[in-house]
Order: sequence, then structure tokens, then C-alpha cells
Amino acid sequence: DQQVKQNSPSLSVQEGRISILNCDYTNSMFDYFLWYKKYPAEGPTFLISISSIKDKNEDGRFTVFLNKSAKHLSLHIVPSQPGDSAVYFCAASGGGATNKLIFGTGTLLAVQP
Amino acid sequence: DSGVTQTPKHLITATGQRVTLRCSPRSGDLSVYWYQQSLDQGLQFLIQYYNGEERAKGNILERFSAQQFPDLHSELNLSSLELGDSALYFCASSPQTSGGLTQYFGPGTRLTVL
Repeated sequence: DQQVKQNSPSLSVQEGRISILNCDYTNSMFDYFLWYKKYPAEGPTFLISISSIKDKNEDGRFTVFLNKSAKHLSLHIVPSQPGDSAVYFCAASGGGATNKLIFGTGTLLAVQP
Repeated sequence: DSGVTQTPKHLITATGQRVTLRCSPRSGDLSVYWYQQSLDQGLQFLIQYYNGEERAKGNILERFSAQQFPDLHSELNLSSLELGDSALYFCASSPQTSGGLTQYFGPGTRLTVL
């Protein structure tokens, strides 16, 4: 049972344009969401997060939007750069005593120069 | 560099063998998490330790075990290895300042079982 889903395995965007990566979840108990970026042969790198009490969080070129009623979040990257090319994972946490993360299967972003 | 270190980087072994993966969390982080990433799979939570005690278990096989030592480093022990155990194993730690919500990952150990 995949509680966090990233339905687009890949995305290709031109340099300078907006990249939008999407993520859906099924568990309404999730209260914290994160995006990680991963290059081959490296560990995931934390990008940005959002609490369920917010609907938007911004950090530089990265903005995460949360729509709780739709159980959907998205990551916007503006402007996209070739160095952004990587696999992006969304993750959710139910909070509480454990804070274990449930990850989606990732979206491979390719930013074309 | 996340500040989380993992050794070894690569490990090649045979079926039936036992291996130990090591993780040192970021300075000051009390929580350590282990995740497995198999081919074409997302990261799957295995187990969490907090200040030396097991906090939560996920999809961890009985052949696998872990522990966290007083100096807060952690080891993941994999025994009776099977071909399907070949995967990337990641360790993560989280700071108390964020309530433990943001996890920082190490570079991983790539395990190949032949």
C-alpha cells in the first residue's frame, strides 16, 4: 500500500522555466512533508519542508504547496537550472514519537540547457 | 556534506554471509534512522533508534538487527544474506531543534550480494 505517490517517474524542463513536481498521499494523519533531492551514488539531500498547518513554504527558488483537502503537495522550482537535474523524492511524516518518513518513489527531473 | 557518515561505501559479499554497516550521526543528533533503497524502489524505513533505545520498527526482516551505542553511532547487522538484500542502505539523523522532523542522510552503503 503506497501511502505517498509520485505518479510522474520523469519530467523534462527547459533551463529558466518552472519545474513542478507533484506528490499525493493517502494518510490524513501525515502532518509534516519534506522534499529531498538525490544525485546518483549520493544520499538524499534535504531541500524544503512544510507543516500541515501551512499551505505554502518558500526557500529561494524552491516553493512547496500543500493542499490538505486534496491530499496533494507540489514542489515548484523557478527558474530551473541544469544543476537541478536529479531525482526528487517527497516524504511524509506522521509525527508523534517516531517521525519515520514515508517516501514516494521519486521523479527524475532533467533540466535541458 | 550532511555531517552523517556511513562506512563502508561499498560492500560485496556472498549469500548466507553476515555484514555490519556503520553510521555516525551528525554531532548532537540523538535519533538515527535506517532506510533501504532497492532497485526501482523508493526508500523504505527499517528502524529508528533514539539515544540508544529502539523507537520504531518498519519493514525490517528478522534477519536484520540494529543497535545504537553510547557514543550514538549505530550499526545495522544483516545476516543470512540473500540476493534480494542487495540494495543501498541509508542512515539518517535528526536534530532535536526541529523536533526531530527533518532528517539528514548519509551517503549510503551499497550492498551487493552475489
